[in-house]
Amino acid sequence: SYVVTQTPSLSVAPGQTATISCEGDHIGTKSVHWYQQRPGQAPLLVLYDDRDRPSGIPERFSGANSGNTATLTISRVEAGDEADYYCQVWDSISDQVAFGGGTKLTV
Amino acid sequence: QVQLVESGGGVVQPGRSLRLSCAASGFIFSRNGMHWVRQAPGKGLEWVAFMSYDGHYKYYLESVRGRFTISRDNSKNTLYLEMNSLRPEDTAVYYCAKESGWPVVYYYMDVWGRGTTVTVSS
Repeated sequence: SYVVTQTPSLSVAPGQTATISCEGDHIGTKSVHWYQQRPGQAPLLVLYDDRDRPSGIPERFSGANSGNTATLTISRVEAGDEADYYCQVWDSISDQVAFGGGTKLTV
Repeated sequence: QVQLVESGGGVVQPGRSLRLSCAASGFIFSRNGMHWVRQAPGKGLEWVAFMSYDGHYKYYLESVRGRFTISRDNSKNTLYLEMNSLRPEDTAVYYCAKESGWPVVYYYMDVWGRGTTVTVSS
């Protein structure tokens, strides 16, 4: 099955930029989706198809995907952005959804 | 508004069975595929199963294939997960989640329930 790897943790000061990476073999050929999970809450979709934002998600959230790395960038980080972030792809070879291990963002 | 409410979790002994339910509202349930995703205590998200809107396609995580069965009743707007031969490693919060796409399936989840907890322990 397809393996997706994320850095386990990241610490960023308020107002700075957080860049969360998601690595996988030729991940640039797949659509990558990102979820935010605050403590004790269900996951929330924050980006889909590499870079598109669902309604209600601030423009501070952006994404890119190329080669073997996809990234979620959060600009002007706020305290409320502190959460676990997961990337996700669909592996059509194994017919399975694959999540990255998650990145804990500390603000 | 779109809402998903899971139920049926609990404490169960290894080797026993449990059936989870997910009641959907606020959207046309019969149009969308649905997913189950779980999260073991202190761990990350792990996708478990997917079912297409009409039940024609079902996909499973390798470690649950043959033990878990995903099903749905579109007349009741309800998704199910029948879990047999449960193991301690199946202990997790189980979320149901709405597939984003219709009629094309994009295999990502745009709405999640709050989850139901399954504990497998003797």
